[in-house]
Amino acid sequence: GQNIDQPTEMTATEGAIVQINCTYQTSGFNGLFWYQQHAGEAPTFLSYNVLDGLEEKGRFSSFLSRSKGYSYLLLKELQMKDSASYLCAALFSGGYNKLIFGAGTRLAVHP
Amino acid sequence: KAGVTQTPRYLIKTRGQQVTLSCSPISGHRSVSWYQQTPGQGLQFLFEYFSETQRNKGNFPGRFSGRQFSNSRSEMNVSTLELGDSALYLCASNGRGGAQTQYFGPGTRLLVL
Repeated sequence: GQNIDQPTEMTATEGAIVQINCTYQTSGFNGLFWYQQHAGEAPTFLSYNVLDGLEEKGRFSSFLSRSKGYSYLLLKELQMKDSASYLCAALFSGGYNKLIFGAGTRLAVHP
Repeated sequence: KAGVTQTPRYLIKTRGQQVTLSCSPISGHRSVSWYQQTPGQGLQFLFEYFSETQRNKGNFPGRFSGRQFSNSRSEMNVSTLELGDSALYLCASNGRGGAQTQYFGPGTRLLVL
């Protein structure tokens, strides 16, 4: 299978840093995506990693280790508006534009 | 440029009925992917169309079907609706860069009673 695993829920404090982990099966792996989804809205693209290492984009960073089948999304200087679900998704060879999504991590940021 | 549009945005049907949902991708995009999102299962891939051909298919029963027209607009159809088909149906418009240029539409929320 092509299971994508991530924690169901996380809570954090405004201004803090939070790391959301994601693991996937490495066979045929072609790239890892992170999306943000606010309640009742469509997912919006945050990041894409295909090579090992850290990609930084403002307050958000995403890391990938292909050999370990592991990624994380790092959110710094948390704001209340960051309360949302964060979806990890992987692309596998032969999948064209077929993304396999994890169940999502619901992040609650409190004052 | 205009984004991905999906119609209708909300829909209520009863068991046994059939439904057709529409998606217009971003101008110039030739590939459209469809996903179903439910609280229990998360986002699940339904199928993907490229230049009017189904290129990939997820693990859904034959009641779920789709098609794509020459102008890249896509429709998906669900026949003999079941209560479990209640979900948010998302269409994604895929650019030439592949999934990393995938943009989701606002979705159609379907409620089956």
